[in-house]
Amino acid sequence: SQTIHQWPATLVQPVGSPLSLECTVEGTSNPNLYWYRQAAGRGLQLLFYSVGIGQISSEVPQNLSASRPQDRQFILSSKKLLLSDSGFYLCAWSVRQGADEQYFGPGTRLTVT
Amino acid sequence: DAKTTQPPSMDCAEGRAANLPCNHSTISGNEYVYWYRQIHSQGPQYIIHGLKNNETNEMASLIITEDRKSSTLILPHATLRDTAVYYCIVRVKLGGKLIFGQGTELSVKP
Repeated sequence: SQTIHQWPATLVQPVGSPLSLECTVEGTSNPNLYWYRQAAGRGLQLLFYSVGIGQISSEVPQNLSASRPQDRQFILSSKKLLLSDSGFYLCAWSVRQGADEQYFGPGTRLTVT
Repeated sequence: DAKTTQPPSMDCAEGRAANLPCNHSTISGNEYVYWYRQIHSQGPQYIIHGLKNNETNEMASLIITEDRKSSTLILPHATLRDTAVYYCIVRVKLGGKLIFGQGTELSVKP
């Protein structure tokens, strides 16, 4: 069966510090991968999605970047965090080419202080 | 992708059916209706999707009106564990992105 992992589960970082969140998927190959952010407890916003290694599409201009160094690994990064980067970050995957469902990870709750 | 409108909150008694409405009046012919739910502090969970026919699975039933401008998600026997935010999303099936709105916060009460 497929599983998706995210770490860390929670993170408190000062403004201006770097960020690296990691997501890995097991039990599938060539997945589509997604990063979402959820602020104020409602309404997920799609940040990035990837259809393959090194292929990243950005949905909104922002202080964050994403990379996909391996087929089942998706990393969300920032060089300098802003207060507005606080939120609940969710990674998701789907089967490539027309999946009905996206499967979400447990999320990382980031607080920027 | 078409926009959806849902009531912000609903209550339901435990053991009764929960009927969650969604309006999607601008839906186009190749767009599907998807439902996800998010239990507090967890990632969203897929529930069901449909194009124009009613659908049923082990979790819920989806009723889509004939003109496809609205739909209803039915949880036939709601339990306390069904308390969550329910999102109705309209998207193209192939490569369509999930755009989450505010959803409906369903509270199942004993």
